[in-house]
Amino acid sequence: KAGVTQTPRYLIKTRGQQVTLSCSPISGHRSVSWYQQTPGQGLQFLFEYFSETQRNKGNFPGRFSGRQFSNSRSEMNVSTLELGDSALYLCASSLETQYFGPGTRLLVL
Amino acid sequence: EDQVTQSPEALRLQEGESSSLNCSYTVSGLRGLFWYRQDPGKGPEFLFTLYSAGEEKEKERLKATLTKKESFLHITAPKPEDSATYLCAVQAVSNTGKLIFGQGTTLQVKP
Repeated sequence: KAGVTQTPRYLIKTRGQQVTLSCSPISGHRSVSWYQQTPGQGLQFLFEYFSETQRNKGNFPGRFSGRQFSNSRSEMNVSTLELGDSALYLCASSLETQYFGPGTRLLVL
Repeated sequence: EDQVTQSPEALRLQEGESSSLNCSYTVSGLRGLFWYRQDPGKGPEFLFTLYSAGEEKEKERLKATLTKKESFLHITAPKPEDSATYLCAVQAVSNTGKLIFGQGTTLQVKP
């Protein structure tokens, strides 16, 4: 079975720009969760989508948003990028256990 | 507030030298405790899920145990390829889509 895939793997943006990251879950998984990982804060939960609906949300500003499509693929968007948004963004899909993708490394200059 | 604390932050072992990693947690209604391994530049790789106190799981040189307040990841006779960051996370009954992670323990095993 194919694992979770994320695109792109690497991104460089400048402050003020926006970015969209994509996540394709394991076939049959309907839940997709997103996390931000930084050296200082570790892994922090952004939000979870299930059957195209946001089911849970973490403590991040409204600049961070997401959506899920009918095929369970998910995207997250960050608008008005700040330097502090530089991080590894991970998505995980699950039935019960969360399985993670390889992440998208975002660098904001 | 739900939280997870892992210790030590870093651990250096000689090949074959067994040790344990600790994960202390507070959560309002534990649904599951998870252990992941993360290699540099990669996403976390699932190792174990533990659901109730007294439960144990084993995989090769790794064994995870769970009490009502903490979990241990025991590493027996480690090899250099076991070098990685080990992450512990809890999932609350009230919020199953969210994992709360500890800061991780970075393990280095020297030959």
